[in-house]
Amino acid sequence: AQTVTQSQPEMSVQEAETVTLSCTYDTSESNYYLFWYKQPPSRQMILVIRQEAYKQQNATENRFSVNFQKAAKSFSLKISDSQLGDTAMYFCAFMTRFNDMRFGAGTRLTVKP
Amino acid sequence: DSGVTQTPKHLITATGQRVTLRCSPRSGDLSVYWYQQSLDQGLQFLIQYYNGEERAKGNILERFSAQQFPDLHSELNLSSLELGDSALYFCASSPRGDPTYNEQFFGPGTRLTVL
Repeated sequence: AQTVTQSQPEMSVQEAETVTLSCTYDTSESNYYLFWYKQPPSRQMILVIRQEAYKQQNATENRFSVNFQKAAKSFSLKISDSQLGDTAMYFCAFMTRFNDMRFGAGTRLTVKP
Repeated sequence: DSGVTQTPKHLITATGQRVTLRCSPRSGDLSVYWYQQSLDQGLQFLIQYYNGEERAKGNILERFSAQQFPDLHSELNLSSLELGDSALYFCASSPRGDPTYNEQFFGPGTRLTVL
């Protein structure tokens, strides 16, 4: 079974600091896709970053970057220079070649002024 | 604004009833996905349609069904509703059906409350 685990239900960070959200997954697939989605209080799901498993280079999008460790099945999200607008639920998600997307339980991130 | 629209925004109904949720994908997107977000189950993938045909199936109950029409809009039908069906239902769309280009754009969701 393909599962996604986010072990940190809640985290907080001071504005302008850096925070890392953890995600591990389990799969027997050799190729797949990983995502981080952000869900602010508006409940809109917003794609933050994506990583294709066959690419060794870690994805980066402005202040957001990932640490993808394929052998360890780990996919953490680093947010640099945290801003108040980063306050949201963050979901790690995994998609197989069959388009079956699995989400983790989420990490609630609060950025404090 | 992702370009994906969902109607209605809110729906309140009673147990045993049947409802239809509607989704219009972004212009040009051929794939539509349905997800259920509930407090106890988290975000769950229900079903995917690509250009009118079912492409992938997740944890969708037999009481639920979906379809995608020739104009590419999709409807999710929920019948014999139970209290546990209360959730936020998301629709997402992507340009293609295969993982080579699979960024999904989510709609604002329909909040269903079953009383």
